[in-house]
Amino acid sequence: TQLLEQSPQFLSIQEGENLTVYCNSSSVFSSLQWYRQEPGEGPVLLVTVVTGGEVKKLKRLTFQFGDARKDSSLHITAAQPGDTGLYLCAGVIQGAQKLVFGQGTRLTINP
Amino acid sequence: EAGVAQSPRYKIIEKRQSVAFWCNPISGHATLYWYQQILGQGPKLLIQFQNNGVVDDSQLPKDRFSAERLKGVDSTLKIQPAKLEDSAVYLCASSLFSSRSYEQYFGPGTRLTVT
Repeated sequence: TQLLEQSPQFLSIQEGENLTVYCNSSSVFSSLQWYRQEPGEGPVLLVTVVTGGEVKKLKRLTFQFGDARKDSSLHITAAQPGDTGLYLCAGVIQGAQKLVFGQGTRLTINP
Repeated sequence: EAGVAQSPRYKIIEKRQSVAFWCNPISGHATLYWYQQILGQGPKLLIQFQNNGVVDDSQLPKDRFSAERLKGVDSTLKIQPAKLEDSAVYLCASSLFSSRSYEQYFGPGTRLTVT
């Protein structure tokens, strides 16, 4: 059983389109992170959110933490081929001391 | 600042053989993690070290996997004997002890193929 469910698992869209990736759980998280992983490389941290309802922007990427701190979303505006990769959400369950990862969303942006 | 170093990058072995992976974390990072990432899945934590002590090894298959972190810096992960289902990417990550969010910095990984 996955503690963090990501959807969709696969997404292929055209350059210039917008998209949203979701990360959901029944558990409350004290913090949640988003990583991007490219083929042959380790995941790279994009952002950390810690407050319910928090919104953070990183250029064309917008990250939101749910009010109840059980879910998060990643929205990409005007996607570019360079956005292609595996997007992973990871969270620290409240009271625990480790990070748990979702299964990832594999995103392909076609030119 | 140098990142997390791992070696080798690729390894192919036959089942029942042994293999070892090496990791050098970012300087000053007290916490070190080993993850297993099977193709198409997110990373699964195998073991977490705080300095040279084990914090969590609940998902480490201890009958065949072992890990050590001597002197609280470098770490090695060993598999003996390997099984076909051990084929995966083994990722090492490190983080600052003071990070309550456990933000992690990953190495490039070692891709293991067991035939």
